[in-house]
Amino acid sequence: SQTIHQWPATLVQPVGSPLSLECTVEGTSNPNLYWYRQAAGRGLQLLFYSVGIGQISSEVPQNLSASRPQDRQFILSSKKLLLSDSGFYLCAWSVRGVQFFGPGTRLTVL
Amino acid sequence: GDSVTQMEGPVTLSEEAFLTINCTYTATGYPSLFWYVQYPGEGLQLLLKATKADDKGSNKGFEATYRKETTSFHLEKGSVQVSDSAVYFCALSHSGGYNKLIFGAGTRLAVHP
Repeated sequence: SQTIHQWPATLVQPVGSPLSLECTVEGTSNPNLYWYRQAAGRGLQLLFYSVGIGQISSEVPQNLSASRPQDRQFILSSKKLLLSDSGFYLCAWSVRGVQFFGPGTRLTVL
Repeated sequence: GDSVTQMEGPVTLSEEAFLTINCTYTATGYPSLFWYVQYPGEGLQLLLKATKADDKGSNKGFEATYRKETTSFHLEKGSVQVSDSAVYFCALSHSGGYNKLIFGAGTRLAVHP
């Protein structure tokens, strides 16, 4: 069966520091991959999606970037974090039109 | 553009009460419709889905029917439990492409003993 992992589970970072969040999927090949952000008490916003290695599409302009160095690895990065980057970050993969989500990373920028 | 509107929460119920969480959508064509559930501190779990008009999705006692004529996908459960306390998200997507999900804002449900 397929499994999706995210780490770290929680992260506290100072403003201006770099960020790297990792997502890996097991049990499937060539999945579509997605990064979402959920601000406190709000819905989900799609940040990036990828249909293959090295192929990244951005949904909204922002302080973040994404990369897909391997088929089942999706990384979310920032060179300098802002206070507004705080939130709950969710990675997802899809098969046959259905998306499945990872456990999420809670990021607090101080 | 496509959008999903959910009833505002929080919804507070006593155990064994009947639950309805309203969801309506605006979309071109025939999207697929989903309900996801998020328990405290966790990611989203797919609860149920429907891919065409009049389909009924069901899981764990929850049901929702795809109503094309009213563009709705209301979530119902006949008898809620304390363990159903969570945030529920309605969402839609179109087949093909990258299957972008459009989410509603979410509805928090609190069930008390």
